Amino acid sequence: GESVGLHLPTLSVQEGDNSIINCAYSNSASDYFIWYKQESGKGPQFIIDIRSNMDKRQGQRVTVLLNKTVKHLSLQIAATQPGDSAVYFCAENQGGSEKLVFGKGTKLTVNP
Amino acid sequence: SQTIHQWPATLVQPVGSPLSLECTVEGTSNPNLYWYRQAAGRGLQLLFYSVGIGQISSEVPQNLSASRPQDRQFILSSKKLLLSDSGFYLCAWSVRRGYGYTFGSGTRLTVV
Repeated sequence: GESVGLHLPTLSVQEGDNSIINCAYSNSASDYFIWYKQESGKGPQFIIDIRSNMDKRQGQRVTVLLNKTVKHLSLQIAATQPGDSAVYFCAENQGGSEKLVFGKGTKLTVNP
Repeated sequence: SQTIHQWPATLVQPVGSPLSLECTVEGTSNPNLYWYRQAAGRGLQLLFYSVGIGQISSEVPQNLSASRPQDRQFILSSKKLLLSDSGFYLCAWSVRRGYGYTFGSGTRLTVV
């Protein structure tokens, strides 16, 4: 569901490590999922998406995994860099809806 | 290519004053349009969305209203601002359901 009033969970990693950011989605009818990256003071930027007929999709240094059985989505970032420090949001498109429902976000901090 | 413009970038307004934030999209036709608000360190709250000219869906009852006078123009308004209207306002567009949003750069509104 929507995440308006919640403080963001945080994840701190060392530069060069792999990062995994998790997201539990709410609706079993959701058929499209996206990860966004939001840097401070900026609008969210699209990272990667996946449709429900897939369970894995890879981009440049990022991988999204979808487990429909437990309604879980994850974003893996390989060789995390300081520029990856940001808040990451997952979003789901619930079947039949024109809206994306955003998760609560995770703040990723990359330590040099 | 498609672009989204949102202005102003920052705005400081006194309590009780009116508000008008504008968002325009270029390079596409009949986009879905969205207004979100984000409190500091929080998630994304959907305020309004529109799937066509003159069609507005309101998600949260509040002191704000939205209008879509032209296909690629989305306006967020208030007749009298409250302190609680402060936040980061984001406009976004999408082709249709099942596709990701592209966000604008946001407007930081401070009501004093």
